[in-house]
Amino acid sequence: NAGVTQTPKFQVLKTGQSMTLQCAQDMNHEYMSWYRQDPGMGLRLIHYSVGAGITDQGEVPNGYNVSRSTTEDFPLRLLSAAPSQTSVYFCASRTDRRSNQPQHFGDGTRLSIL
Amino acid sequence: SQELEQSPQSLIVQEGKNLTINCTSSKTLYGLYWYKQKYGEGLIFLMMLQKGGEEKSHEKITAKLDEKKQQSSLHITASQPSHAGIYLCGADPSTIQGAQKLVFGQGTRLTINP
Repeated sequence: NAGVTQTPKFQVLKTGQSMTLQCAQDMNHEYMSWYRQDPGMGLRLIHYSVGAGITDQGEVPNGYNVSRSTTEDFPLRLLSAAPSQTSVYFCASRTDRRSNQPQHFGDGTRLSIL
Repeated sequence: SQELEQSPQSLIVQEGKNLTINCTSSKTLYGLYWYKQKYGEGLIFLMMLQKGGEEKSHEKITAKLDEKKQQSSLHITASQPSHAGIYLCGADPSTIQGAQKLVFGQGTRLTINP
C-alpha cells in the first residue's frame, strides 16, 4: 500500500512548455485533489474530483487541466507553463467526500518555470 | 471566501519548552484539520476537530476548537526535535458535509533548538 504517489519529484521547465504531473493512489479513494503551495500563502486548491469522470475547479484553476479516467489516477496538466506556476504541487485523496475523513497527501512535485 | 490566519508565522523554542500555535478563521469552521509538514515531504495528518469546545490529544500534541468554532489552537508540551516542521491548519468552509474543498492557513514554521 503506497498511499498517494506523485511523479516527478522535481522538474524544471521553460516558459511555454507543457507538462503533466502524475498522481496515483492505491487506496480506492473517490475524492482526489490538487493543491499548490507558495511561500507565505499556504496551500491553494487547483482542481478536484469526486469520482472517476467528474472534475471541478478549485480556487486557482487557470492554466491547469485535469481529467479522471480511473479511480486511481488524477493527472494535472500545465498547458503552457508560466513563471507564475513555479510552485510545489501536492496531490491528495480521501475515501469518500461524504465522510469527514482527512485527506492523504503525496510528497509533492517541485516545479520551476524558467 | 473563508480565510485562515495562523500565528505566529515562525517560532523558535528550546527543547523541552511548551508552545502554542493558533489558527483563526474569518467564518465559522465546519471541520478543522491540523497537518504537519517536513521539508521535502508531504503533509501528515495530525488531528481533526468538528465540534465547538472539542479537544483532542495525541502523544504530546493537543488541539482545541473554541466554542464559537472560529479559532483553533495546537499546543505542544515538552517539545522535542522531532516536533520541528511546518504546521498547517486546514478548514472545510462548506456547510455541505464532506465537500471538503479545504482552505489552508499560511503555515507556522517551528524550530526546536537543543
